[in-house]
Amino acid sequence: DAGITQSPRHKVTETGTPVTLRCHQTENHRYMYWYRQDPGHGLRLIHYSYGVKDTDKGEVSDGYSVSRSKTEDFLLTLESATSSQTSVYFCAIRGLAEYNEQFFGPGTRLTVL
Amino acid sequence: ILNVEQSPQSLHVQEGDSTNFTCSFPSSNFYALHWYRWETAKSPEALFVMTLNGDEKKKGRISATLNTKEGYSYLYIKGSQPEDSATYLCAQYGEAGNMLTFGGGTRLMVKP
Repeated sequence: DAGITQSPRHKVTETGTPVTLRCHQTENHRYMYWYRQDPGHGLRLIHYSYGVKDTDKGEVSDGYSVSRSKTEDFLLTLESATSSQTSVYFCAIRGLAEYNEQFFGPGTRLTVL
Repeated sequence: ILNVEQSPQSLHVQEGDSTNFTCSFPSSNFYALHWYRWETAKSPEALFVMTLNGDEKKKGRISATLNTKEGYSYLYIKGSQPEDSATYLCAQYGEAGNMLTFGGGTRLMVKP
């Protein structure tokens, strides 16, 4: 258990509404990641953060924004949710050493109607 | 974005069978390869971190090998058990070790 929680765990929303998912960690890890689960693609990186206010885009960043105002929290925002963003979203952290394994949160299931 | 591919996409075996899957990745500028085990309705968990050509790692009945020159890694499961049923993901770190690129996964189903 790497002390990672995600909230909410489940959310149903309507197309066009904004949605924010929260990832919280208790162990002061520098790197945090947001992935989405897509059938046939495994996990795809949306955005990641390498420190407070330091973020970068991943493979599928269009339609998503992130913020990290303190070490323990990494927020993912869907500015205007679309049905194609229906997915399970996982947050992950990485330890201090380069190329360390990542530890994943429990996931958030988002359904956009 | 790195091109990481896994085969087969899915595999059905009987309890007691041994099995293996393949992960292929770009061999140039290799930094590290990870294997993760992902059970249904749970989160992925790391199995192995592999960094050197010729690396062999083992955890119980599961082992993995790495060939960075030709760009592939094999995951072996000896004497599969129903509790081995899961999706197995491989992932490669790009330059600077910031981002992992995952393959599509191999879904293993072990019948009792």
